[in-house]
Amino acid sequence: KAGVTQTPRYLIKTRGQQVTLSCSPISGHRSVSWYQQTPGQGLQFLFEYFSETQRNKGNFPGRFSGRQFSNSRSEMNVSTLELGDSALYLCASSLYPGGGSGEQYFGPGTRLTVT
Amino acid sequence: DAKTTQPNSMESNEEEPVHLPCNHSTISGTDYIHWYRQLPSQGPEYVIHGLTSNVNNRMASLAIAEDRKSSTLILHRATLRDAAVYYCILGSGNTGKLIFGQGTTLQVKP
Repeated sequence: KAGVTQTPRYLIKTRGQQVTLSCSPISGHRSVSWYQQTPGQGLQFLFEYFSETQRNKGNFPGRFSGRQFSNSRSEMNVSTLELGDSALYLCASSLYPGGGSGEQYFGPGTRLTVT
Repeated sequence: DAKTTQPNSMESNEEEPVHLPCNHSTISGTDYIHWYRQLPSQGPEYVIHGLTSNVNNRMASLAIAEDRKSSTLILHRATLRDAAVYYCILGSGNTGKLIFGQGTTLQVKP
C-alpha cells in the first residue's frame, strides 16, 4: 500500500507570493492533518480535514488555508508569503477522524523556502 | 492544550534497552498518549500509543503510570537505526490534532 505522498518536495518562493502544497493520503484514509515544522517552533498543528470539512484549526493567521477534495486529497495554501513561512510542511493521514486516538501516517514533507 | 515534558537528549548503547520518560501532569481523561519518532530528513513515524493500559507492539512497549501523569517508551534492544528524535504527544480522542513538544534526541552508540 502506498504511503502518504506530498508534492512538490521542495519549493522556493519570493516574499509576497502565494503557494499551494498537495497531499495524497493513504488509500482509504479520509482524515488529513497538516503540520508546520521549523527549527525554532518545532512541529505545530495547522489544520485537520475529514470528508471535505475542516474539523480543527491551529493558531496560524488566515493566510494559511486548506481544503480537502472528495477523493480525500488535500491542499494547503499560503498567501502573501513571509520569510518566517520557510519551513517543512508535513501532511498526515489517518483512517478516521479524531486521529488523536489512533495512529497518523506522515508524508515526507514539502520543504518551502521563502526568499 | 495539555503538554508533555521530555529530556532533551539521551544516549544508549547498541543492543541495550532504552527507557524514554515523559511527564504529562495535565493530561485529561480523553487524552491518548502517543509516541512518534523522526529520523533526519523524514516525516514523523508512528511508534505506539495508549490510553490507560500498558501497550506492546513490534517496535516498542509503552508503560503508563497508574495516575497517567507520566509514561515511558521502552525500546527493548536499541539499534543504530533507532537514533532519532522521539516525541511524546497527547492526542484528544475527538480530534486529529497532535501537540508536539521538543522531543528527546536519542543517540545510539555502537
